[in-house]
Amino acid sequence: DVKVTQSSRYLVKRTGEKVFLECVQDMDHENMFWYRQDPGLGLRLIYFSYDVKMKEKGDIPEGYSVSREKKERFSLILESASTNQTSMYLCASKPTGTPGTEAFFGQGTRLTVV
Amino acid sequence: AQSVTQLGSHVSVSEGALVLLRCNYSSSVPPYLFWYVQYPNQGLQLLLKYTTGATLVKGINGFEAEFKKSETSFHLTKPSAHMSDAAEYFCAVTRSNDYKLSFGAGTTVTVRA
Repeated sequence: DVKVTQSSRYLVKRTGEKVFLECVQDMDHENMFWYRQDPGLGLRLIYFSYDVKMKEKGDIPEGYSVSREKKERFSLILESASTNQTSMYLCASKPTGTPGTEAFFGQGTRLTVV
Repeated sequence: AQSVTQLGSHVSVSEGALVLLRCNYSSSVPPYLFWYVQYPNQGLQLLLKYTTGATLVKGINGFEAEFKKSETSFHLTKPSAHMSDAAEYFCAVTRSNDYKLSFGAGTTVTVRA
């Protein structure tokens, strides 16, 4: 069974902290994504990676960075957390090949910045 | 650029009634279209997708959707709602030359007994 695992379901962090959100997939997928989900806005793409050490900005990259040192792991980094980054964060992976192949999602990390 | 519009942020239906969720997209190249469902406190699960071929596609849990190129639409339907269909539904699109998914704002479905 396909699996995308996010390291935390719930996180509470303080303003100004450096925050790491981790995502691991076991499907040998080349493409990995970080989305942010907010009510009324749907899912917005923060960053995606199409190969190890390769990354591309999505629609809302400001305040975020990413790291992909190994194929199975994709990390989202909030360099200095702010309250407006309180949100649900979803990781996804997708194989290269036919773009019509579905993306597989993790369970999400609900981050609260206080 | 591509975008997805879901009409109606909330839909309330009676158990046994038709469920209709509307999705319109804009894409400069032929799209691939998806419907995902999200149950409370969970990630997204694929309901169905359109890539090529038959424009009426069937998915899990009795859902189906029809791709209408002339209307740039991909509406989701289920003939008879069940209480377990209460969830949030997202329409998404990707272009044939891309891997990124663009999502609509989502539609929350509640089912009345």
